[in-house]
Amino acid sequence: EPEVTQTPSHQVTQMGQEVILRCVPISNHLYFYWYRQILGQKVEFLVSFYNNEISEKSEIFDDQFSVERPDGSNFTLKIRSTKLEDSAMYFCASSEGMTGAADTQYFGPGTRLTVL
Amino acid sequence: AQSVTQLGSHVSVSEGALVLLRCNYSSSVPPYLFWYVQYPNQGLQLLLKYTTGATLVKGINGFEAEFKKSETSFHLTKPSAHMSDAAEYFCAVIRSDAAGNKLTFGGGTRVLVKP
Repeated sequence: EPEVTQTPSHQVTQMGQEVILRCVPISNHLYFYWYRQILGQKVEFLVSFYNNEISEKSEIFDDQFSVERPDGSNFTLKIRSTKLEDSAMYFCASSEGMTGAADTQYFGPGTRLTVL
Repeated sequence: AQSVTQLGSHVSVSEGALVLLRCNYSSSVPPYLFWYVQYPNQGLQLLLKYTTGATLVKGINGFEAEFKKSETSFHLTKPSAHMSDAAEYFCAVIRSDAAGNKLTFGGGTRVLVKP
């Protein structure tokens, strides 16, 4: 069964450094998402991406964050200058894009980001 | 804005007993509702979803949920718990008119199954 993959599984970085989290969505999917879960808190939406542009973003997704689909298979989340409070599990998801809000979003296993 | 409340961050059930996980939502427009399960060190996996039509929805692994608009609820049940049901369960809501397909999650309920 096709699945969303994410690399790395765990990333440790120093505060102020740039990180890029990588995701390979399911191949025929058209919508891509990033969510995050700070330890002990709810899973939070960051951004959705469709047709090579951002569809929606949350208030968390400020100028420090960016997303890109650099080629036909990868979807990346970049954090330009990491802060301690960026430490979280980051989940990538994708959906077919055929039924809009009713689409099932398929989640990857997550990347645990630790900012020291 | 929409929101989700899951009553009980931890639930302990005996193997073979009923599993009942509560979810209440608020949404200014008709919602679509989802239950996801997360096993240790894995991503979120869809159990079931309600979009339109029949309000009793059956999902994988013997789970089902009923959408009750009057109660703004979408509780998840399974008649007989199995050890493999130990996991964290998340209820989520999305606006049916959402342009960006933003899912809003509840806080999650961790299920412990006792032998």
